Amino acid sequence: GEDVEQSLFLSVREGDSSVINCTYTDSSSTYLYWYKQEPGAGLQLLTYIFSNMDMKQDQRLTVLLNKKDKHLSLRIADTQTGDSAIYFCAEIPNYGGSQGNLIFGKGTKLSVKP
Amino acid sequence: GAVVSQHPSRVICKSGTSVKIECRSLDFQATTMFWYRQFPKKSLMLMATSNEGSKATYEQGVEKDKFLINHASLTLSTLTVTSAHPEDSSFYICSARAGTGQFFGPGTRLTVL
Repeated sequence: GEDVEQSLFLSVREGDSSVINCTYTDSSSTYLYWYKQEPGAGLQLLTYIFSNMDMKQDQRLTVLLNKKDKHLSLRIADTQTGDSAIYFCAEIPNYGGSQGNLIFGKGTKLSVKP
Repeated sequence: GAVVSQHPSRVICKSGTSVKIECRSLDFQATTMFWYRQFPKKSLMLMATSNEGSKATYEQGVEKDKFLINHASLTLSTLTVTSAHPEDSSFYICSARAGTGQFFGPGTRLTVL
């Protein structure tokens, strides 16, 4: 079946690195995504990784993909108070066109302490 | 990235009334849009997939007569909550796919009194 698992909470100090982990079960997923949701707002696409990649870096964000273990992580370097939000991991199983629905994890609430 | 807008951002209505929420792709065309519902402290639940020029595909357990979806053009999809009741109060979010990314609107907070 399709399921995406995330830990629900993460608390870090400002300036530290944050690592948010995600596991998924559908090995056929082509794209994996990280979204950020601030309170009362919609979802903001942070980054995504194609399944044939191991790592993707974008400024303070690093995504690591371990396809063998079906494990995805998002590392935020030099975490700031503005990074406090809920982070969702998502996959699209068998993406190949206009269909293919996102499967979301429940979200990890990141709290950044000054 | 691609921009998706929603209107209104917040609506309060009386029980029994109908509410229409608009979702627009601002700088790209979207043959497919998605409508999600988010309960407090919960993940997103896909309600339906909206296809331009054809009927929407509803997820199991979602009443198609209650949540009417119209995808009138390549940049506009609407969700109408008919005869709204307090249990319909929720955060509704639309999204559309552009290239390899799926982009979300800012959401509409519906409160039914």
